[in-house]
Amino acid sequence: EAAVTQSPRNKVAVTGGKVTLSCNQTNNHNNMYWYRQDTGHGLRLIHYSYGAGSTEKGDIPDGYKASRPSQENFSLILELATPSQTSVYFCASGDRGTLYFGAGTRLSVL
Amino acid sequence: GDSVTQTEGLVTLTKGLPVMLNCTYQTTYSPFLFWYVQHLNEAPKLLLKSSTDNKRTEHQGFYATLHKSSSSFHLQKSSVQLSDSALYFCALRDTNAYKVIFGKGTHLHVLP
Repeated sequence: EAAVTQSPRNKVAVTGGKVTLSCNQTNNHNNMYWYRQDTGHGLRLIHYSYGAGSTEKGDIPDGYKASRPSQENFSLILELATPSQTSVYFCASGDRGTLYFGAGTRLSVL
Repeated sequence: GDSVTQTEGLVTLTKGLPVMLNCTYQTTYSPFLFWYVQHLNEAPKLLLKSSTDNKRTEHQGFYATLHKSSSSFHLQKSSVQLSDSALYFCALRDTNAYKVIFGKGTHLHVLP
């Protein structure tokens, strides 16, 4: 069974709209991460968390917010979506650098 | 800050040949390096990891040795298979053990 579950798997949003990507993990890991994957850029870290209630900025946080209300859940929020945020988003939970990824969310902003 | 460099964007070779994918890193502190593999339309998965200098680590026929003197952690395999076609990422764990930084990835394309 999947230990990191992302929802939705696919999302089409309008420019200026609000988008929330959700992630749930059953690994009981303290650390959780949001990455986006784009051709030529690899995996870029948006936000991460080292426990419930904490969020930290990654390398490309502009335009994104994160929320970690519990050990299990970590959300990525796009308050005002833009076409440049069209991408594949991966959530991961981790233990000292070993990451376990969800299946990804494909987001298109039109 | 910390960084990871993968110099090849695409490596194409014929089945049965050896391969080496390059990875170099930059960090001020003690490094912990990883290789992740991502097959088409799948999520990345851990392939192997190491923090021990000059010790070879192996998994599923792939191997790598962390060389702190040259800040390198190259991924190798002696004989590639068609199923090895995938995107390979080198990654570095931040010194505080929370942040994990990835390189841009190398596509390995194995021909029959």
